[in-house]
Amino acid sequence: AQSVTQLGSHVSVSEGALVLLRCNYSSSVPPYLFWYVQYPNQGLQLLLKYTSAATLVKGINGFEAEFKKSETSFHLTKPSAHMSDAAEYFCAVKGGGGSNYKLTFGKGTLLTVNP
Amino acid sequence: DGGITQSPKYLFRKEGQNVTLSCEQNLNHDAMYWYRQDPGQGLRLIYYSQIVNDFQKGDIAEGYSVSREKKESFPLTVTSAQKNPTAFYLCASSIGGTEPRNEKLFFGSGTQLSVL
Repeated sequence: AQSVTQLGSHVSVSEGALVLLRCNYSSSVPPYLFWYVQYPNQGLQLLLKYTSAATLVKGINGFEAEFKKSETSFHLTKPSAHMSDAAEYFCAVKGGGGSNYKLTFGKGTLLTVNP
Repeated sequence: DGGITQSPKYLFRKEGQNVTLSCEQNLNHDAMYWYRQDPGQGLRLIYYSQIVNDFQKGDIAEGYSVSREKKESFPLTVTSAQKNPTAFYLCASSIGGTEPRNEKLFFGSGTQLSVL
């Protein structure tokens, strides 16, 4: 069964510092992986997705993620944090339970950006 | 503007009462979903629908019911059988079709349900 684990429920960085949010996946088949962002009291927006075309995936707002099969990881990074990046971030894997439609989310990582 | 509209934004339920959360989309998407979000637990799938007049249980369907009579609408009823309904509920949609594994979900802004 597909699942994802996000390491660290809360990450705090200074403005201008590197952002690294960790996600490890468990999948019996090649995974389709996603990162979503949620701002307070809102729905989720897609940041980027991995669909096996390229291991380094670039997303919106300067974020990128690298798929590493050997480490079963899909960590999200951004070279320089902005105050506007403060939000909750969710890693997700598509499929599972015999369905191509199910999206299974991690528990989320809350990113705080300090001035 | 195309998108997903959830209403109401805040909803209060009395003990023993059923309440219905509305979700409407004008994206012409075939697939629609309901997720429940609790602090520190991420999102959990309640129900999903791949096409009109068809829906499947997700991981935590007990105490909930849905209908999909129209393509654009996917209302969720929280029944009195759901003993811990306080949560943030998110509706989403996607294009659907035979190979949906790499497609993205579009989310509404959510409904916060609380118990009086």
